[in-house]
Amino acid sequence: ETGVTQSPTHLIKTRGQQVTLRCSSQSGHNTVSWYQQALGQGPQFIFQYYREEENGRGNFPPRFSGLQFPNYSSELNVNALELDDSALYLCASSLGGDSYEQYFGPGTRLTVT
Amino acid sequence: GNSVTQMEGPVTLSEEAFLTINCTYTATGYPSLFWYVQYPGEGLQLLLKATKADDKGSNKGFEATYRKETTSFHLEKGSVQVSDSAVYFCALFSGSARQLTFGSGTQLTVLP
Repeated sequence: ETGVTQSPTHLIKTRGQQVTLRCSSQSGHNTVSWYQQALGQGPQFIFQYYREEENGRGNFPPRFSGLQFPNYSSELNVNALELDDSALYLCASSLGGDSYEQYFGPGTRLTVT
Repeated sequence: GNSVTQMEGPVTLSEEAFLTINCTYTATGYPSLFWYVQYPGEGLQLLLKATKADDKGSNKGFEATYRKETTSFHLEKGSVQVSDSAVYFCALFSGSARQLTFGSGTQLTVLP
């Protein structure tokens, strides 16, 4: 059974640029949730994708967007990067949008300069 | 809305000491409760969970009991090891919100 994987591991971008982060869900899981973890803070929910549709969203602006593909992998896109977007971005996969059994990937560390 | 408040750190203990990390929550309905652990440079690992009132979650010597009357889910371990050094997060899941809500984390350092 393959776990949740994320790419890239680290990324450095300049303010105003755009970035795409990728997540492959655990085998058999059809739901991916994305979280932002600022330094020294707990993760904050960005949104969830279930069967290729957005299935819930946290308090993040529209410049945070996502996709889910037929194989249930997912992308997180952030436009017009701001310094405060610097964080660890975690994805978690689960079976069903209502499932509390979420398995986390190792995260992508994004630094915006 | 849902929220989780946990004991602020950092917490520093000697090996074999007793550990308690306090966690209280506010939620509508009947959430499931979790403790996650994050080792340096890594993602989150589920440590233990409890899905209903009075349930006790346990794993690797850690325990936590879901107390609905006090809205608490305190983490305990009788004898900590150096390898337990990590950041611990209390979290709740509400099915209607479809998201985990996390506390701010408690950094634990265990000295030999």
